[in-house]
Amino acid sequence: SYVLTQPPSVSVAPGQTAKIFCGGNNIGSQNVHWYQQKPGQAPVLVVYDDNDRPSGIPERFSGSNSGNTATLTISRVEAGDEADYYCQVWASSSDHRVFGGGTKLTVL
Amino acid sequence: EVQLLESGGGLVQPGGSLRLSCAASGFIYSNYAMSWVRQAPGKGLEWVSGVSGSGVSTYYADSVKGRFTISRDNSKNTLFLQMNSLRAEDTAVYYCARSSHSLASPFDYWGQGTLVTVSS
Repeated sequence: SYVLTQPPSVSVAPGQTAKIFCGGNNIGSQNVHWYQQKPGQAPVLVVYDDNDRPSGIPERFSGSNSGNTATLTISRVEAGDEADYYCQVWASSSDHRVFGGGTKLTVL
Repeated sequence: EVQLLESGGGLVQPGGSLRLSCAASGFIYSNYAMSWVRQAPGKGLEWVSGVSGSGVSTYYADSVKGRFTISRDNSKNTLFLQMNSLRAEDTAVYYCARSSHSLASPFDYWGQGTLVTVSS
């Protein structure tokens, strides 16, 4: 089965840039989606199809995807960005949706 | 406004059954695929099952295949998940989520979830 690997945690100071990585075999050939989940809340889509943003999501959120790594970049990090972030793809070989293990973003 | 409202969660003994529902509103329900995604306490997200807009095509994670059945009633804008032979490891918050017809499309709206606890 297809596996997505994320670092368990990332820490960044306010105003700095956070990068959250998502590793997978040839993930660059997939459409990667990213979700933000705050404690006690449902996930929210923040980036889809590698680098598109749903309406209402700040431009500070962006994504890239190449080779074996997809990246969610959050610029000018704010305290309100503190959350768990998950990457997700569709594994065509199995017709399954797959999530990464999640990364906890801590704003120092 | 798109709304997804889950119900049916609760406490069930190992080996028991439970049926979850997800009532949808604010969009043309049959135009969208729907999925169930769960989250065990303190753990990450796990896709459980998906169904096409027509209800004809269904998909299951290996962990639930043969035990869970997804279905939908497009006349009532409702999604279901019939869960049988429940195990302790099925304990989780279960979310319903919407996506477009493409299997590669994202989950753009989520419900608030319903908690299922499997314990004796």
